[in-house]
Amino acid sequence: QPVLTQSSSASASLGSSVQLTCTLSSGHSSYIIAWHQQQPGKAPRYLMKLEGSGSYNKGSGVPDRFSGSSSGADRYLTISNLQSEDEADYYCETWDSNTWVFGGGTKLTVL
Amino acid sequence: EVQLVESGGGLVQPGGSLRLSCAASGFTFSGYWMSWVRQAPGKGLEWVANIKQDGSEKYYVDSVKGRFTISRDNAKNSLYLQMNSLRAEDTAVYYCAREDAWRDYWGQGTLVTVSS
Repeated sequence: QPVLTQSSSASASLGSSVQLTCTLSSGHSSYIIAWHQQQPGKAPRYLMKLEGSGSYNKGSGVPDRFSGSSSGADRYLTISNLQSEDEADYYCETWDSNTWVFGGGTKLTVL
Repeated sequence: EVQLVESGGGLVQPGGSLRLSCAASGFTFSGYWMSWVRQAPGKGLEWVANIKQDGSEKYYVDSVKGRFTISRDNAKNSLYLQMNSLRAEDTAVYYCAREDAWRDYWGQGTLVTVSS
């Protein structure tokens, strides 16, 4: 089964950009992932599907400030022009053989 | 507008049972896989189970196999999770989610607390 590794925390200043990373385990570098955002006290929200090629498809209503990219086993979520409402936990997920796995999540703090 | 509304959570003793429900609206429920995902207090997300459009395929995380059963009633636009032999480690917020290849819509969650 694939394992997804995320940094536990990240921080960036209001109005700046930040790149969050989700790394796929060995042998799974081609896998497609999804990114989800979970604001404090709220349910998760789907952000996008991200392929190994770097191609991504965002969910309904996701601002243009959110984008995705890929390099090898790494899948990136970039948030530009950070807003206070972007302070949240961000999770990546993937699946294999009818089993879904999530990364441990990255807590993003907007300074 | 897609809406998923969970219900049925609460406090239950270890070894007890609980049935969660998820009422879906705003889309053709019978056209989508559906799933349950949980989140223990202060922890990350964990996929629990999912079910095919017609209920013919169901998959579970190892830790709940034999104890939890996912089901659906397409006539009632509803998803269910029957949870038996509950353990303290099952304490979590349980989210219902729609799958369109990916989990693209989530409910607001219902809290299950397993404690004596």
